[in-house]
Amino acid sequence: QQQVKQSPQSLIVQKGGISIINCAYENTAFDYFPWYQQFPGKGPALLIAIRPDVSEKKEGRFTISFNKSAKQFSLHIMDSQPGDSATYFCAAQSHGAGSYQLTFGKGTKLSVIP
Amino acid sequence: KAGVTQTPRYLIKTRGQQVTLSCSPISGHRSVSWYQQTPGQGLQFLFEYFSETQRNKGNFPGRFSGRQFSNSRSEMNVSTLELGDSALYLCASGRTGDRADTQYFGPGTRLTVL
Repeated sequence: QQQVKQSPQSLIVQKGGISIINCAYENTAFDYFPWYQQFPGKGPALLIAIRPDVSEKKEGRFTISFNKSAKQFSLHIMDSQPGDSATYFCAAQSHGAGSYQLTFGKGTKLSVIP
Repeated sequence: KAGVTQTPRYLIKTRGQQVTLSCSPISGHRSVSWYQQTPGQGLQFLFEYFSETQRNKGNFPGRFSGRQFSNSRSEMNVSTLELGDSALYLCASGRTGDRADTQYFGPGTRLTVL
């Protein structure tokens, strides 16, 4: 069973702090790892994505770190703001048959308090 | 550019009934995927259509079916509804349907089965 394990389930961070969400996968065929952000009443929206040929990707305050040997990747949100309060999902996509399918982690509910 | 639209946004049905949900992808997008989101199981892939053909199907019973029309609009149908089918059903569209093509999600249809 293809799985992506995500932790923590919930996270409370002070404004200006760093939020860190971790994910681990098992299927070595996964080769594309997007992160999605979901606000209440909305569908998930792509935040940032990475391929395993790079160890880090940064876009503004959001950084993905990727450890291919450990099969782990993480999202860092620098200078966290109350507007970042949302549920974050990591996902993975493989290059095999049915490669368009996204396998999602269970999500992390982030609350940034002023 | 209009986003992915889903209708209806909310639906209440009783056990044993059937339901049809509709998804209009972003103009020019040819791929439509469907996902089920529940608190317990998270986001789970249902199926994906590209140019009116189902390319992949997730691990759901045959009561869940879908189709895609020539204008890329898609519908999914659930027959003989069960209480456990209560969920947020999300549709995502992709421009090319290729690996790593960004999937843009709609706001979802909230289905409640009584």
